[in-house]
Amino acid sequence: DARVTQTPRHKVTEMGQEVTMRCQPILGHNTVFWYRQTMMQGLELLAYFRNRAPLDDSGMPKDRFSAEMPDATLATLKIQPSEPRDSAVYFCASGLSEEDEQYFGPGTRLTVT
Amino acid sequence: SQQGEEDPQALSIQEGENATMNCSYKTSINNLQWYRQNSGRGLVHLILIRSNEREKHSGRLRVTLDTSKKSSSLLITASRAADTASYFCATVINQAGTALIFGKGTTLSVSS
Repeated sequence: DARVTQTPRHKVTEMGQEVTMRCQPILGHNTVFWYRQTMMQGLELLAYFRNRAPLDDSGMPKDRFSAEMPDATLATLKIQPSEPRDSAVYFCASGLSEEDEQYFGPGTRLTVT
Repeated sequence: SQQGEEDPQALSIQEGENATMNCSYKTSINNLQWYRQNSGRGLVHLILIRSNEREKHSGRLRVTLDTSKKSSSLLITASRAADTASYFCATVINQAGTALIFGKGTTLSVSS
């Protein structure tokens, strides 16, 4: 049963701390997406990769956020330093292409105090 | 800016009734997708309709697409309590290198 996995599922941290979220996409999917979901803004695309290369990270605050794919089985989203306004649920999704259906992970619920 | 807008924002119905949700979008699309999100969970893909299709069915789901009006509708027939969730439309616009853009969703409550 192929699925996208994300770790950690929950993270509580203090303002200023570094946060790293990890995602394992479905094997064979060459497109990986990071989203952030809040009540106010809804679901926002932060960045996405095709064949491990970043294609669009325009939705991401560049000064504190970074996204990478060290290899085909791991995508990371890092926030340094974290701020209370970063509190949200962060979803990773993978798919065969930008146009095909996406498979979402369970999300990482981040709380920055 | 938001490409897709769902309507209504919230919908409450009784089990057995049909639920209709609408999505309007702004620019030309390659395809439109509907997703469901149960509380506290990730989104689950329901159905994809391409720009050259007008209607698609999947089980109790029926999706229509009207590209001239830039709108789509999702019909859930004979709703069940388990259909309670948020429903999102997402569009792939007709521009190379762009990914899905999600609307803010319709929250459906089905009571037994």
